[in-house]
Amino acid sequence: ETGVTQSPTHLIKTRGQQVTLRCSSQSGHNTVSWYQQALGQGPQFIFQYYREEENGRGNFPPRFSGLQFPNYSSELNVNALELDDSALYLCASSTDRGGTGELFFGEGSRLTVL
Amino acid sequence: AQSVTQLGSHVSVSEGALVLLRCNYSSSVPPYLFWYVQYPNQGLQLLLKYTSAATLVKGINGFEAEFKKSETSFHLTKPSAHMSDAAEYFCAVSPSGGGYNKLIFGAGTRLAVHP
Repeated sequence: ETGVTQSPTHLIKTRGQQVTLRCSSQSGHNTVSWYQQALGQGPQFIFQYYREEENGRGNFPPRFSGLQFPNYSSELNVNALELDDSALYLCASSTDRGGTGELFFGEGSRLTVL
Repeated sequence: AQSVTQLGSHVSVSEGALVLLRCNYSSSVPPYLFWYVQYPNQGLQLLLKYTSAATLVKGINGFEAEFKKSETSFHLTKPSAHMSDAAEYFCAVSPSGGGYNKLIFGAGTRLAVHP
């Protein structure tokens, strides 16, 4: 059984650029959520996708957007990067979209914005 | 609004000693509560969860947590620490029936275990 995989593992961008992060969910999981973990802090919920539609969003601006594909993999896109966007971005998949199930996390994509 | 407070950003114990990591939550509705562990350069892994069944919850690797509504606490314990327990631990809350997996995490507690 393949776990949650994310790519790239590390990347460096400059302020104002755009970035796309990718996530393959665990086999059989139809729900993907994204979290931002700044250095020294706990993860913060960005949004969740279920059956290719966003069905929940945290307190992040519209320049954070996403997609989910028919195979349940997902992308996180961030436009007009700011220095504060530097963080570890975690993808999590689950079989339950309702907030009661276990989330399976990938190892994350570490983004540095210069 | 829901929130989670983890007391102590760093905890250091001797191998074989009791581990106690503190978590207090704020929630206006019965919450679901979770403890996750993050090893260096890895993603988060679920240790245990409380979903309004038994108040004492047993998890993996010998960890357990007790839900105390009167104290709004969900502290994590392990009777005897092992070197492999060194990691960062996160307490998280989710509103029951929230409709999506929005976990609200605490800032984390880094556990060090020394010989």
